[in-house]
Amino acid sequence: SQKIEQNSEALNIQEGKTATLTCNYTNYSPAYLQWYRQDPGRGPVFLLLIRENEKEKRKERLKVTFDTTLKQSLFHITASQPADSATYLCALGSTDGLTFGKGTHLIIQP
Amino acid sequence: ETGVTQTPRHLVMGMTNKKSLKCEQHLGHNAMYWYKQSAKKPLELMFVYSLEERVENNSVPSRFSPECPNSSHLFLHLHTLQPEDSALYLCASSQWRSYNEQFFGPGTRLTVL
Repeated sequence: SQKIEQNSEALNIQEGKTATLTCNYTNYSPAYLQWYRQDPGRGPVFLLLIRENEKEKRKERLKVTFDTTLKQSLFHITASQPADSATYLCALGSTDGLTFGKGTHLIIQP
Repeated sequence: ETGVTQTPRHLVMGMTNKKSLKCEQHLGHNAMYWYKQSAKKPLELMFVYSLEERVENNSVPSRFSPECPNSSHLFLHLHTLQPEDSALYLCASSQWRSYNEQFFGPGTRLTVL
């Protein structure tokens, strides 16, 4: 069956460092992959989309990589700030829509 | 503000009650979704509507009944729910089903007693 794994339920990073979140998947061949941010009590907010034929995407301090051979996506936040603290969701996409991972709770400590 | 609104934000109901959740989007999107989010579990897709027609029902129990009267509104009718149905119910919309970002509402926190 399809499986999506996001690294550790919680990740603590010191302010100013780069936070790297991992999304691994099995038994799936996504056409694209998305990352979302979710704050407590709120719905997810879209951050980035990367297609299967793209290696890397950037948006301001965010960078996403997509390796279809390793079946892995990495999500980087550079120069992290306490305001970046949230849960980050990886979602695999096909023509049918999205399948979400459980998310990683990122905590940026001042 | 994401452009997707949901009401009510919180709902407490007994197992014999009937209630409805409402979702509204004025983004001109063609696809709308209902998701269930429980603690420690990934977002679970419940229903998908594309151009006002239901295209997916992921084996959701019949005590959940969706309705999409037009492209801007989506309802989730609830009846004879179980305590394990307590969760955050999220509505989302997107321009099309694939290759598009989804815009989520704030969710309805449902508690079934």
